[in-house]
Parts: sequence; structure tokens; C-alpha cells
Amino acid sequence: DAKTTQPNSMESNEEEPVHLPCNHSTISGTDYIHWYRQLPSQGPEYVIHGLTSNVNNRMASLAIAEDRKSSTLILHRATLRDAAVYYCILISVKAAGNKLTFGGGTRVLVKP
Amino acid sequence: GAGVSQTPSNKVTEKGKYVELRCDPISGHTALYWYRQSLGQGPEFLIYFQGTGAADDSGLPNDRFFAVRPEGSVSTLKIQRTERGDSAVYLCASSLGVRTGRNTGELFFGEGSRLTVL
Repeated sequence: DAKTTQPNSMESNEEEPVHLPCNHSTISGTDYIHWYRQLPSQGPEYVIHGLTSNVNNRMASLAIAEDRKSSTLILHRATLRDAAVYYCILISVKAAGNKLTFGGGTRVLVKP
Repeated sequence: GAGVSQTPSNKVTEKGKYVELRCDPISGHTALYWYRQSLGQGPEFLIYFQGTGAADDSGLPNDRFFAVRPEGSVSTLKIQRTERGDSAVYLCASSLGVRTGRNTGELFFGEGSRLTVL
């Protein structure tokens, strides 16, 4: 599986945007970029995914570099509830299932 | 509720005992996954079922770990002769199993079963 690299932690102030980077320099053309997050004492939850184009949903935006070797998850206005570990994961469209391989993720701290 | 349900939420056992952890997936989800998460680490894949069969069990650490899904719905993770190193949160997830059209194939996780082996 292609690997991803994320910073260990980031801090943000409440109601400010948060930009979470992810490097995936060995990504292949059939890999989707998925983001999950894990709130304290809960299981991970899906945030967003994309292939080539930037994507928006009610939770976040995903900006994908033109060469696809990196991407950025954008939380437009951080709230205290967004404090979580955010995981960037590649999933091949050729894979039989959606087996997720988690790295260490980025722990986001939101300060009031 | 409509989410993935895991029982028990907490289990404390003694070294050497046998443990069963249950997962009730979202109705209609054909794919089911088990993960294990140690403190401060990301979840680690154990096994993936498509229907009743284990499609990928490459993450099971050794033969003390076994999982079943006899009717393609509820799954049980079984751990024999538990060791202190088995202490972790065991997470279950389910998904529709195939990615078609707008279906993201996203996984829906339960809240986990915390296992403590004394």
C-alpha cells in the first residue's frame, strides 16, 4: 500500500480555519485519498474523499495537488468538537474491499 | 440504533482466559472489518469479511485470534489464552462492500470493545 505522511499534531483557535497536510508521494493513479477522524473514546468516522478534483462537503474541503503527491484537509471554522485525530488514507480502486491502513494521523487541538 | 453495535463495551479478564467480542453491523452491509487499537496508536487491521467468508485475514496476529460471521451479519472475534499484550480497544466497522456510483464505500465504525487482560 502507498504510504502517507502527516504531522503528529496541530493547534488551532476556535472558529479559525485548520489546514491539515498529507504527503503521499508514491500514490498510484488508482488510489483514492480518504480522510477519517477519530474523536476521543469513539471509533473513526469518515470525513471526505477524492481522486483528482477538489471536493467539498458539509464537514470539510479536500484540496488535492495537481500531481496528486499531496493533499490538504481544510476545516473552515474549527469548533471544539473538531478536536480529534485526523487520518489520511489511500485506498486503491482495485482493492476488493475498503480495508483502511491507518498511520499515526494528526492530532488536532482546538483552543477556545 | 442504526449504527454498528459492539458488545461488551468493556471486558476485564485474566491472563489465559478465553474472550468473545461481538459486532452487530449496520443492516444490509455485506462487508465487516475488525481492527485493534492500542493506546496512542492508529487502528490496526485484523480481518475483513465479505458476506460469510473471510476475504482477508492477514492482520490476525497469531492463531489465538479467530473471527466468524456465520450468517453474514453478526460477527464474533474470539481470543484464546489471552495475554496482557492483547489489551486494546477492538473496533468493528461495516460497509456496503462495493463502490458504485456515488457510494463512497465508507466504513462505519462502532465505539469499540475495550479489553483489559490482567
